[in-house]
Amino acid sequence: DTGVSQDPRHKITKRGQNVTFRCDPISEHNRLYWYRQTLGQGPEFLTYFQNEAQLEKSRLLSDRFSAERPKGSFSTLEIQRTEQGDSAMYLCASSSKTSGGVPDTQYFGPGTRLTVL
Amino acid sequence: RKEVEQDPGPFNVPEGATVAFNCTYSNSASQSFFWYRQDCRKEPKLLMSVYSSGNEDGRFTAQLNRASQYISLLIRDSKLSDSATYLCVVNRNQAGTALIFGKGTTLSVSS
Repeated sequence: DTGVSQDPRHKITKRGQNVTFRCDPISEHNRLYWYRQTLGQGPEFLTYFQNEAQLEKSRLLSDRFSAERPKGSFSTLEIQRTEQGDSAMYLCASSSKTSGGVPDTQYFGPGTRLTVL
Repeated sequence: RKEVEQDPGPFNVPEGATVAFNCTYSNSASQSFFWYRQDCRKEPKLLMSVYSSGNEDGRFTAQLNRASQYISLLIRDSKLSDSATYLCVVNRNQAGTALIFGKGTTLSVSS
């Protein structure tokens, strides 16, 4: 399977614990994105990497959240001191640079569903 | 006001019906536009990009009106398999970065 993969698919944790999610993008894609989706809402942008550089962060990404992409391949998203409001689906997407004004297409992984008790 | 707003839905239609979804966006600097489809508890998948001249892909037709900041999706001859949530999406930057999603409109096609 050459699509975007995410691990774990489900995570249940207690409030106050730290959690870390991993995303493996499509192999030739240099752009990687993290989004969060809660029930009944569309995905909301969290952060964006081009290669290993984190180029954009949403205001949603509080100081308890940190994302890395150390070698420009896989990425991790860590949430420290989890709160019940962090319960959501965390989606990763990747895309590759296009030319000629063609918008790049973001391909999404299956997501990690986080439940904070 | 949300940056991307869609019809609240849900839309319940019989097989074979034609259904239209509407969407408005508030940021006039938005550069690219898409419809994504999301099945229950699955990831969003690109249905089609939307171009200024309008574009068609089989039973699906997308239109963009930049002056009115309005995007539409028309589905003809609905199939049971079209049942899903349809997300209107804009991107401020042609070269990538954040996608801004609407809340989505749920379509249920029944036999």
